[in-house]
Amino acid sequence: GENVEQHPSTLSVQEGDSAVIKCTYSDSASNYFPWYKQELGKRPQLIIDIRSNVGEKKDQRIAVTLNKTAKHFSLHITETQPEDSAVYFCAATNTGFQKLVFGTGTRLLVSP
Amino acid sequence: DTAVSQTPKYLVTQMGNDKSIKCEQNLGHDTMYWYKQDSKKFLKIMFSYNNKELIINETVPNRFSPKSPDKAHLNLHINSLELGDSAVYFCASSPDGRGPREQYFGPGTRLTVT
Repeated sequence: GENVEQHPSTLSVQEGDSAVIKCTYSDSASNYFPWYKQELGKRPQLIIDIRSNVGEKKDQRIAVTLNKTAKHFSLHITETQPEDSAVYFCAATNTGFQKLVFGTGTRLLVSP
Repeated sequence: DTAVSQTPKYLVTQMGNDKSIKCEQNLGHDTMYWYKQDSKKFLKIMFSYNNKELIINETVPNRFSPKSPDKAHLNLHINSLELGDSAVYFCASSPDGRGPREQYFGPGTRLTVT
């Protein structure tokens, strides 16, 4: 079955810096890669996703890149702000019924 | 207006008890899920239903029994609760369509077993 590894587990940056979180997956049939943000005590919420027919996707300060050959994908956050502080999860799935396999999460702390 | 709602938000109970968590979505989605998030924040799927039919059943003890009375509701019943069941349980839903879609999570139910 699918296995998703995520690094780093914690990431501390200064406000305005960039943050990069990396994930690798094992199942070459995976074709959908969402990223979820979970603030303390809240529900996970989708912030960006990418499908296997696209190499990069951008939404304002957030971008995701996908390397299918290497089976890894990354989240890039530019000009970080304190409100970006949260736990970020990557995930992968290859089934029509959307069995998402989540990474272990990255706790991002943005200091003012 | 809440898209995916769960009740209760907090549940504190003793070992050996039986409890239920309810989930409802008003998004018209066809697929619903239960996830467990443990103290280390690992998020793992437990079950998934599509139009009231069980389609994903991970390696979960059979003390856990999901029930979907209609496609807008997915409840989780847990028998003989154990300390290790303490976690946050999230319900989620997603629409059918060509390829995987965004999953919308409920607010979570924090279960504490003492």
